[in-house]
Amino acid sequence: AQSVTQPDIHITVSEGASLELRCNYSYGATPYLFWYVQSPGQGLQLLLKYFSGDTLVQGIKGFEAEFKRSQSSFNLRKPSVHWSDAAEYFCAVGARSGYSTLTFGKGTMLLVSP
Amino acid sequence: DAGVIQSPRHEVTEMGQEVTLRCKPISGHNSLFWYRQTMMRGLELLIYFNNNVPIDDSGMPEDRFSAKMPNASFSTLKIQPSEPRDSAVYFCASGYTGELFFGEGSRLTVL
Repeated sequence: AQSVTQPDIHITVSEGASLELRCNYSYGATPYLFWYVQSPGQGLQLLLKYFSGDTLVQGIKGFEAEFKRSQSSFNLRKPSVHWSDAAEYFCAVGARSGYSTLTFGKGTMLLVSP
Repeated sequence: DAGVIQSPRHEVTEMGQEVTLRCKPISGHNSLFWYRQTMMRGLELLIYFNNNVPIDDSGMPEDRFSAKMPNASFSTLKIQPSEPRDSAVYFCASGYTGELFFGEGSRLTVL
């Protein structure tokens, strides 16, 4: 069965500083990988996805993520955080075959300090 | 495109009452998912449909929960009777080729 681990429940970053959110997955083959963001009271919005090809993927709002097969990781990065980036971030893994179900991590809450 | 539309956005009910949550997926998407989000358990997949057919309902907590998708543009999640432990945010999502688009959720409070 597939699973996702986000080891950090909360992270606080100063505005303007760089950000890295960690994500490790367990899956028998190369999965589809996603990062979603959830603002308070809102649904989840897709930031970026990895299906195949270049292992460094660019997303919306200046985010990027790198797929590292050897480490079973898909960490999310942003070079300079803005106060509006404060939200909860979810990593998800999906199977390449069959139907498009996703398994989500428990999420990382990002706090941005002035 | 209007995105995934869920109703109601908020529901407060008393224990024992029936609750019906509704979802309109994005047109053209062939898969529909119901998730539940709580602080303790995070996002849990309850059930998903492909081409209106339920594929996997193993995440449905118990027989009090049921879901239907009578056509490609509408789905319901019903809880009968509701219990306080059902209080959560319920999300509907639709998608294709592995990518999901979420509605804004229905926040359910059972007193």
